[in-house]
Amino acid sequence: GENVEQHPSTLSVQEGDSAVIKCTYSDSASNYFPWYKQELGKRPQLIIDIRSNVGEKKDQRIAVTLNKTAKHFSLHITETQPEDSAVYFCAAPRTGNQFYFGTGTSLTVIP
Amino acid sequence: DVKVTQSSRYLVKRTGEKVFLECVQDMDHENMFWYRQDPGLGLRLIYFSYDVKMKEKGDIPEGYSVSREKKERFSLILESASTNQTSMYLCASSRPSGRTGNEQFFGPGTRLTVL
Repeated sequence: GENVEQHPSTLSVQEGDSAVIKCTYSDSASNYFPWYKQELGKRPQLIIDIRSNVGEKKDQRIAVTLNKTAKHFSLHITETQPEDSAVYFCAAPRTGNQFYFGTGTSLTVIP
Repeated sequence: DVKVTQSSRYLVKRTGEKVFLECVQDMDHENMFWYRQDPGLGLRLIYFSYDVKMKEKGDIPEGYSVSREKKERFSLILESASTNQTSMYLCASSRPSGRTGNEQFFGPGTRLTVL
């Protein structure tokens, strides 16, 4: 989606290291930011989301941070494991109940 | 366990054929969406629907149409398949949420190859 930019497109990390994926959006009124994980051959599934009234949300090894002033949000995965290898998509709301999706980050965790 | 199902995981069709992709959700969701997923392009919205009989064009509707005769079912139709429609097609559904946005639940996808 042209209104959401996602970087990097590919990311390789050693097992145990951290991974960070960043997305920027353009609509300052956006207030809900989900992250989806898509394992090879499987459907995208929500792993974490954040609403604009908080700056950070954490769920075990994954966290999302939101900077509304700079209009970017990031996914942080700590202590990466091989099962974290997947494609990750960010999304930001557009009109109605639709989303702009980022172009995806292919994460590879090297054992 | 929430479920969005799609009629086929893999489909091979010939150029010019009419193709039907079906999506069914059992969560009583009002919103349903069709995306295509291509490497490097992410998810692009083809069509969406917020209610039975209602449909709206997304970003890339050309060459596609949709049908929503029942709340749980949203069909994507390729009127005359072309090779550039070879792609992964994902269906999704969600509850309505005003401006906030809600989690979208995706189907397993249909990988369509047009020869």
